[in-house]
Amino acid sequence: NAGVTQTPKFRILKIGQSMTLQCTQDMNHNYMYWYRQDPGMGLKLIYYSVGAGITDKGEVPNGYNVSRSTTEDFPLRLELAAPSQTSVYFCASSHSTEAFFGQGTRLTVV
Amino acid sequence: AQSVSQHNHHVILSEAASLELGCNYSYGGTVNLFWYVQYPGQHLQLLLKYFSGDPLVKGIKGFEAEFIKSKFSFNLRKPSVQWSDTAEYFCASSGGADGLTFGKGTHLIIQP
Repeated sequence: NAGVTQTPKFRILKIGQSMTLQCTQDMNHNYMYWYRQDPGMGLKLIYYSVGAGITDKGEVPNGYNVSRSTTEDFPLRLELAAPSQTSVYFCASSHSTEAFFGQGTRLTVV
Repeated sequence: AQSVSQHNHHVILSEAASLELGCNYSYGGTVNLFWYVQYPGQHLQLLLKYFSGDPLVKGIKGFEAEFIKSKFSFNLRKPSVQWSDTAEYFCASSGGADGLTFGKGTHLIIQP
């Protein structure tokens, strides 16, 4: 069972570059989420989606964009990378309330 | 808005000691509560969850948690910890489809 798959696992970006973090789930979950994890801060919700074509902002959406064209995929886009976006990013999916997490993407912006 | 607070950010215990990690949530309506564990370099894994019913919830690896509605608490317990329990533990709440609200986490170190 693949579950939630994120790519890449690691990435170093230069300030101002852009990139897309990929997230795919094979559990046919309607709900998908992007979180960022910073030391001592827990996880903060960036964006979420309740189904294909529907997305909404979470607690810390600035500097990010998402799309949800299919049930399976929920990519996170960084348009102009900034050092403040250095973090570990987790994608999650859910059928109702229990969330399943991907392995994470460790992003460093230098 | 929901919020979750974890009392201890760092806990150091010896093997075989008993563990209790505190968690308080603030939300007036129906709430679902979770404890997740994150082993070093890994993703979050669900330890246990509470939706309704018996307030004492048993999870994996010998962990349990007690939901006390009057205290807005959902503390995690384990009678005897092992070195392999070294990890970061997150309490979280969910009131609906807009994701989980996490506490800041407790970094647990078990000394052999």
